[in-house]
Amino acid sequence: NAGVTQTPKFQVLKTGQSMTLQCAQDMNHNSMYWYRQDPGMGLRLIYYSASEGTTDKGEVPNGYNVSRLNKREFSLRLESAAPSQTSVYFCASSDVIQGGTEAFFGQGTRLTVV
Amino acid sequence: GDSVTQMEGPVTLSEEAFLTINCTYTATGYPSLFWYVQYPGEGLQLLLKATKADDKGSNKGFEATYRKETTSFHLEKGSVQVSDSAVYFCALIPNTGGFKTIFGAGTRLFVKA
Repeated sequence: NAGVTQTPKFQVLKTGQSMTLQCAQDMNHNSMYWYRQDPGMGLRLIYYSASEGTTDKGEVPNGYNVSRLNKREFSLRLESAAPSQTSVYFCASSDVIQGGTEAFFGQGTRLTVV
Repeated sequence: GDSVTQMEGPVTLSEEAFLTINCTYTATGYPSLFWYVQYPGEGLQLLLKATKADDKGSNKGFEATYRKETTSFHLEKGSVQVSDSAVYFCALIPNTGGFKTIFGAGTRLFVKA
């Protein structure tokens, strides 16, 4: 079972460059999320998609865009990368199940902007 | 708004020591509560959860009890191993119709042999 797959695992960008982080899940979940993880700040929600065809801003959306391509795939785009976007990015998915909604995470993308 | 506060790390213990990582939350009603673990270089994975007051979640020797009166969900393990070295996140999902997970800042645990 693949679960949640993110690509790439590592990336170095120059300031001003653009890139797209890819995420796919094979669990037929309705909801998908993008988080960033920074030291001492835990996980902060960038964008989420409650269901196919919808996307909404999270806590820290500035500088990012997302696309929910279909039920499986949810991509995150940095249009003009800045050093402040150096972080580890995690994609997650979840669905409502009895007893609570567990989130499943990908392995993460370590992004450095120089 | 809803939030999770957990003890700052890092926590350093010797093998076989007792572990407690404190977690308190702010939320209306009865949120679902979770502990996630992140091993080096990996994503987060669910460790245990509890969905109503006085429930005890348990897994791999770890336990946490949902205490509504103290709004707490402290993580405990009786005897830690070197392989338990990781970052532990306390989290909640509000019961107000939401589905987004709200995470604490994480607590790094080092276990020495």
